[in-house]
Amino acid sequence: EAQVTQNPRYLITVTGKKLTVTCSQNMNHEYMSWYRQDPGLGLRQIYYSMNVEVTDKGDVPEGYKVSRKEKRNFPLILESPSPNQTSLYFCATRRVSGANVLTFGAGSRLTVL
Amino acid sequence: GEDVEQSLFLSVREGDSSVINCTYTDSSSTYLYWYKQEPGAGLQLLTYIFSNMDMKQDQRLTVLLNKKDKHLSLRIADTQTGDSAIYFCAEIRNGNYGGSQGNLIFGKGTKLSVKP
Repeated sequence: EAQVTQNPRYLITVTGKKLTVTCSQNMNHEYMSWYRQDPGLGLRQIYYSMNVEVTDKGDVPEGYKVSRKEKRNFPLILESPSPNQTSLYFCATRRVSGANVLTFGAGSRLTVL
Repeated sequence: GEDVEQSLFLSVREGDSSVINCTYTDSSSTYLYWYKQEPGAGLQLLTYIFSNMDMKQDQRLTVLLNKKDKHLSLRIADTQTGDSAIYFCAEIRNGNYGGSQGNLIFGKGTKLSVKP
C-alpha cells in the first residue's frame, strides 16, 4: 500500500528543545515537501526537495531545517522550537512528471509551550 | 508571491448543489487541483484538470476552468452531509526547476458545511 508516514502524530514540547518530525514514503517519489497548516492561513510550504541531496526553501522556512540523504526520508528539524511553531504539519510526496499529484501524510500536530 | 484566493466558508442544504470558487495566479500552470480535507485528517486529492481543458466531470463533481480569468470552480451535485470538509484549490507554480517541476501552491481552503 502506497504510504506517507509521519511521526510523531502528536507532540507537546517546550521552547528550545530540539525535535525532529520524520517523514517516510514507499512510493519511490522524487519530490517531497513539508507544509504547515494554521487557522485562517491555509497550507504554507516550509521546505521541499526535488531529489536526494537537493532541498529548497518554501514560503516559511525560518526556524526549520531539512535533509534528504535518502530518497524515502525527509525529516523536518526544529533546532530550537518556539511557540509560533505550534501548528499542524504535513509531509507530501509526488513524482516530478505527469499530473504531479501530491500524496499527503496524516499530519503531525505540534504544540510548543 | 501572490495568493490563490478562495472564499473561506460555504453552507448548503443536503441535496443542493455546492459551488466552490477559486482564483489562481499563474497562467502557465499546467494542472489545477482540488483537494479535500475531512476533520482530523490529511488532504486527499479530489480531482484535477489539465490546463488545456475547460471542463472535467467525474460523477457528482464538475470542474470548470476559465483560463482567461484564471478562475477555477468545483461543483458538487446532490451535496451530502459526508461532503462536509475543507476544500483546497491548488496550482502548480514554476519553481527553481521550472514547468511542471514547480511547487503546488494552495489556497486557504473553503469550509463546506452541509445542513440536513
